[in-house]
Amino acid sequence: KNEVEQSPQNLTAQEGEFITINCSYSVGISALHWLQQHPGGGIVSLFMLSSGKKKHGRLIATINIQEKHSSLHITASHPRDSAVYICAIRYSGAGSYQLTFGKGTKLSVIP
Amino acid sequence: DTGVSQNPRHKITKRGQNVTFRCDPISEHNRLYWYRQTLGQGPEFLTYFQNEAQLEKSRLLSDRFSAERPKGSFSTLEIQRTEQGDSAMYLCASSQAMNTEAFFGQGTRLTVV
Repeated sequence: KNEVEQSPQNLTAQEGEFITINCSYSVGISALHWLQQHPGGGIVSLFMLSSGKKKHGRLIATINIQEKHSSLHITASHPRDSAVYICAIRYSGAGSYQLTFGKGTKLSVIP
Repeated sequence: DTGVSQNPRHKITKRGQNVTFRCDPISEHNRLYWYRQTLGQGPEFLTYFQNEAQLEKSRLLSDRFSAERPKGSFSTLEIQRTEQGDSAMYLCASSQAMNTEAFFGQGTRLTVV
């Protein structure tokens, strides 16, 4: 079982819809990242969270450390939001250098 | 600063050949990471440098793989005697400190034929 599980794997939405992508993890973490990957490979960091909630434009990310769960919300979705959204965690504890990634959620927003 | 730069963007090589990729991190970032991503999967960790020291290597990094960061600036990832299973996107990322935002390059897509 992957330590980082994302749902759904694929998501198709109409332009303007409110979108939620979920991420669950099974280990103690020091931080959780939400990343966006467009076709062609480039990855852009959207948020880094260790508690609570962050907002940037139409994007909102929340995390519940006790429940080991995070959500990424997109309000008023737009076709340019179409991308793969990836959740990644950094383990807590000394020597935890790497990020461990989920498989990603492929979002398609239709005009 | 133009962000994390990776070269080449694409590489097609014959099985058995050696390939080398380069990553130029953001200049003030002393932490550098290499990841590998295959189709439909999330990236997997390969190795990590803090300045010029290679502090962590994944079990994915077989003897055919070697990475260097000689002066604590750019890094190279070499794959010797490439195999078809090495075909993937190789991603480089850098960060300023442990729990800070990681910045990714565009990746090098390797195809072994």
